[in-house]
Amino acid sequence: ILNVEQSPQSLHVQEGDSTNFTCSFPSSNFYALHWYRWETAKSPEALFVMTLNGDEKKKGRISATLNTKEGYSYLYIKGSQPEDSATYLCARLRDGNEKLTFGTGTRLTIIP
Amino acid sequence: KAGVTQTPRYLIKTRGQQVTLSCSPISGHRSVSWYQQTPGQGLQFLFEYFSETQRNKGNFPGRFSGRQFSNSRSEMNVSTLELGDSALYLCASSPGEGYTFGSGTRLTVV
Repeated sequence: ILNVEQSPQSLHVQEGDSTNFTCSFPSSNFYALHWYRWETAKSPEALFVMTLNGDEKKKGRISATLNTKEGYSYLYIKGSQPEDSATYLCARLRDGNEKLTFGTGTRLTIIP
Repeated sequence: KAGVTQTPRYLIKTRGQQVTLSCSPISGHRSVSWYQQTPGQGLQFLFEYFSETQRNKGNFPGRFSGRQFSNSRSEMNVSTLELGDSALYLCASSPGEGYTFGSGTRLTVV
């Protein structure tokens, strides 16, 4: 894989359901993987910074896993709430380079 | 503590003009990065400054330039504006790990 890719592009989930989405990235020269939540008219909010293969991080109902060898990360949301509606971005940081390469995001809409 | 401040929030310019956008990072953050988002595109990296020096540059034409001052505030300049430069411009500051983004400047070129 050459670029950071996210799937699906958009997702509609019923309130209370759990969901997950994927970020795929080049595994070579990996340094870190960032997840952001971006609500409309606001600035992107940092969720997680992950660096180690097998890393699993959790923040409330949101968690993420990282596989640096195969180049993917999953973001999970448990018991979706309307306030979870946002675009979720992942970004890869290469070793020795302070430049985040972003995916195009997964737009999540929670249906009340 | 104050977040990353970008000014102005909105801007309308005419083709051929130039524009300067400003970013004030979180106090103590020495790294400032700039990103462009256009419809259908992910955030595209423009450049990154650290201690007044440009450390990294993205694949943008020379019309896009920036600088950083001794107080870490950064400016981004776009000369000879084109319609395709219409976008949301975000800056992010970092103390070394993790980034905090501003709310962006939405530039419209007419």
